[in-house]
Amino acid sequence: DTGVSQDPRHKITKRGQNVTFRCDPISEHNRLYWYRQTLGQGPEFLTYFQNEAQLEKSRLLSDRFSAERPKGSFSTLEIQRTEQGDSAMYLCASSRDLEAQYFGPGTRLTVT
Amino acid sequence: GENVEQHPSTLSVQEGDSAVIKCTYSDSASNYFPWYKQELGKGPQLIIDIRSNVGEKKDQRIAVTLNKTAKHFSLHITETQPEDSAVYFCAPGETSYDKVIFGPGTSLSVIP
Repeated sequence: DTGVSQDPRHKITKRGQNVTFRCDPISEHNRLYWYRQTLGQGPEFLTYFQNEAQLEKSRLLSDRFSAERPKGSFSTLEIQRTEQGDSAMYLCASSRDLEAQYFGPGTRLTVT
Repeated sequence: GENVEQHPSTLSVQEGDSAVIKCTYSDSASNYFPWYKQELGKGPQLIIDIRSNVGEKKDQRIAVTLNKTAKHFSLHITETQPEDSAVYFCAPGETSYDKVIFGPGTSLSVIP
């Protein structure tokens, strides 16, 4: 059990570019969550998967954002046409049913 | 929705002293009361949690106390060490596996 991993750890991109982040949950964790954290704030929920089904999306998740978990294992979060306001830490967490979430180290996105 | 506050927002203590952080919440449906620790550049990590049928829980130097009637719970750290320096978030919720709604955070500095 190596914990939740995220790739890349840092991403710098120019405004208007698309970016994609990957999250590998702890094996056998069927639930996977994405959060966003801006400087000085607590993480905010974005979306949640149970196996491959995306069950909840926050209003924070504009139509430029899309998340997938095609085989119920790893997940990707894509941001299209990035804006400076998208600069943040993107955190992934996973859990088993009825258990607490374990967070990954995050991907820090900087949009210039 | 849940209204969560933490006090103080920043706390500085001498190594070896105790630290107490208080979390107040508004949703009477909350039954799960965790505390997360986030070190610089890392994701939040669950350090201790308590459920509504228990008033206190202790794990070595950390403890959590709950006053469900008054809708607040507190994190207690005894014999603080420099490695306790981090941001601490409370995240009251109905269950351990729902999306986590984080409080605003408390930045703890332990001075050697």
